[in-house]
Amino acid sequence: GENVEQHPSTLSVQEGDSAVIKCTYSDSASNYFPWYKQELGKGPQLIIDIRSNVGEKKDQRIAVTLNKTAKHFSLHITETQPEDSAVYFCAASTNKLSFGAGTTVTVRA
Amino acid sequence: DVKVTQSSRYLVKRTGEKVFLECVQDMDHENMFWYRQDPGLGLRLIYFSYDVKMKEKGDIPEGYSVSREKKERFSLILESASTNQTSMYLCASSQQGLGNTIYFGEGSWLTVV
Repeated sequence: GENVEQHPSTLSVQEGDSAVIKCTYSDSASNYFPWYKQELGKGPQLIIDIRSNVGEKKDQRIAVTLNKTAKHFSLHITETQPEDSAVYFCAASTNKLSFGAGTTVTVRA
Repeated sequence: DVKVTQSSRYLVKRTGEKVFLECVQDMDHENMFWYRQDPGLGLRLIYFSYDVKMKEKGDIPEGYSVSREKKERFSLILESASTNQTSMYLCASSQQGLGNTIYFGEGSWLTVV
């Protein structure tokens, strides 16, 4: 089955700086790559996704890039704010989603 | 807005007890899922269902079963709870087909003592 690896496991950034989270996947048939944000005490919520026919997608301060040849994809958060502090999960999908282990992001004021 | 409701947020059960975790979604989604979340392991799929009375094993089905008698409701059952099933359980739903957004509930924290 699909194996998704996510790095780093923890990330601390100064408010206003950028944060980057990287994921790799094993199954070249995967064609859908969502990112989820989980705040304390809540369930994960979709923040952005990308499909295999697209190399990059942006939504305000969040962007995702996909390199199908290398089988890796990344989440970029610019101008980080305290409310960006959360756990972020990447995932890859063929017929079902496989998740990475998560990255705990802390934005220091 | 899509709402996935897990009726029990916090449960404490004894080893050997039968445990039911209930989940209801209000968006007429065909697909429903149960995940388990543990630190450092991410979200792991236990079971999923594409239709009423239909179920398929995920990556870690051992020790669990599920029931989907109605489209909006998907129950996770621990026939005989064990301490290694202490975890956060997340229910989710999505529209039929691949690549559709999966919506999660708030989670159920289960402690087995």
